[in-house]
Amino acid sequence: QSVLTQPPSASGTPGQRVTISCSGSSSDIGSHNVNWYQQLPGTAPKLLIYSNDKRPSGVPDRFSGSKSGTSASLAISGLQSEDEADYFCAAWDGSLWLFGGGTKLTVL
Amino acid sequence: EVQLVQSGAEVKKSGESLKISCKSFGYGFDTYWMAWLRQMPGKGPEWMGIIYPGDSDTRYSPSFEGQVTISADKSLNTAYLQWSSLKASDTATYYCARESTKGMDVWGQGTTVTVSS
Repeated sequence: QSVLTQPPSASGTPGQRVTISCSGSSSDIGSHNVNWYQQLPGTAPKLLIYSNDKRPSGVPDRFSGSKSGTSASLAISGLQSEDEADYFCAAWDGSLWLFGGGTKLTVL
Repeated sequence: EVQLVQSGAEVKKSGESLKISCKSFGYGFDTYWMAWLRQMPGKGPEWMGIIYPGDSDTRYSPSFEGQVTISADKSLNTAYLQWSSLKASDTATYYCARESTKGMDVWGQGTTVTVSS
């Protein structure tokens, strides 16, 4: 059982906006920044969002992150077929990184 | 280009030892922390531990302390993850990842380890 809680699945049609939630506690998300990772099938995770809401260079601005209290969210607007992947949230708890169990995004 | 290249897939038997590697390219290997993570099928990654190749300072997650050893050879720009006695429950994909101020920002391609009993 993962320490950070994510819904196991999400879906949307091309062009839609979808959000994925990540719930933690006061010692992890409540006290530290949140990162989001995208894992395409058969590949390594890729950093998508860091420090709650920042995008590394090369990540489209269709992807955005936010944090409030002990929860965080990833939003994907203008959904595209290539967005179909697993998405993981991660937060530092003061001594190690914690991850969510992942959300499988299906583009219908 | 910043890149981490991991060693190939391994198939081992319970009780055997194993050392997998992660070679870095395109940045100062001894100036960034390097993490190792485990990912079991259908699950999220688990952070195992981290090493600073500059001085070999190493930290472990309590879940993995005593179960694995993380090391690095800065002359080879390579980090390692090793087991002295594998168990079937060690079957997973293992990733190395560079840690920067952005978190784990560059990942290796993964090494699949299969342990049969």
